[in-house]
Amino acid sequence: AQTVTQSQPEMSVQEAETVTLSCTYDTSESDYYLFWYKQPPSRQMILVIRQEAYKQQNATENRFSVNFQKAAKSFSLKISDSQLGDAAMYFCAYKGYSTLTFGKGTMLLVSP
Amino acid sequence: GAGVSQSPSNKVTEKGKDVELRCDPISGHTALYWYRQRLGQGLEFLIYFQGNSAPDKSGLPSDRFSAERTGESVSTLTIQRTQQEDSAVYLCASSIGQGGTGNTIYFGEGSWLTVV
Repeated sequence: AQTVTQSQPEMSVQEAETVTLSCTYDTSESDYYLFWYKQPPSRQMILVIRQEAYKQQNATENRFSVNFQKAAKSFSLKISDSQLGDAAMYFCAYKGYSTLTFGKGTMLLVSP
Repeated sequence: GAGVSQSPSNKVTEKGKDVELRCDPISGHTALYWYRQRLGQGLEFLIYFQGNSAPDKSGLPSDRFSAERTGESVSTLTIQRTQQEDSAVYLCASSIGQGGTGNTIYFGEGSWLTVV
């Protein structure tokens, strides 16, 4: 079974600064996808960024980028120029052949 | 509809009662997922439907939980004889395509269940 581990229950960052959220996973599959989702207090799960395992190039979406290290099974999320609206719970997720497996989440706090 | 729709958004029920939670996926999405999220916790997989294939029920926590899906549309999650530990947000999600794809999975806003 696949597992996803987020070792940081909570992270803090100041506005305009950069923060990195960690995620590691365990799988025996060779083809899979990785995602970061954001969940604000509204509970809505919002897709932030996705990465195909077969692609070596790290995915980037505006201020959000990932550092995907396939051999190390690591998938960290970097948020640049942090904004107050980035404050939320962030979940790392893995999708292989079947379902989507989530980590336990990292709460990101953003201070002015 | 434009997104995944879930109802009710909030439900308070007495311990021992049965509840039904409904999910309307995005039109054309063949894959449908149910997750449970307890307060302050991550998402716990419950069940996965893919087209006409047999559903993956491996995440259902007990035989009090069941789910059905009508073709490739509406799904209902039923919890029988509810217990206080069933209190959680129940999230539904859908996506195009089968397993093995990385198609974006879209989530509904969830049904918040409180068992008193």
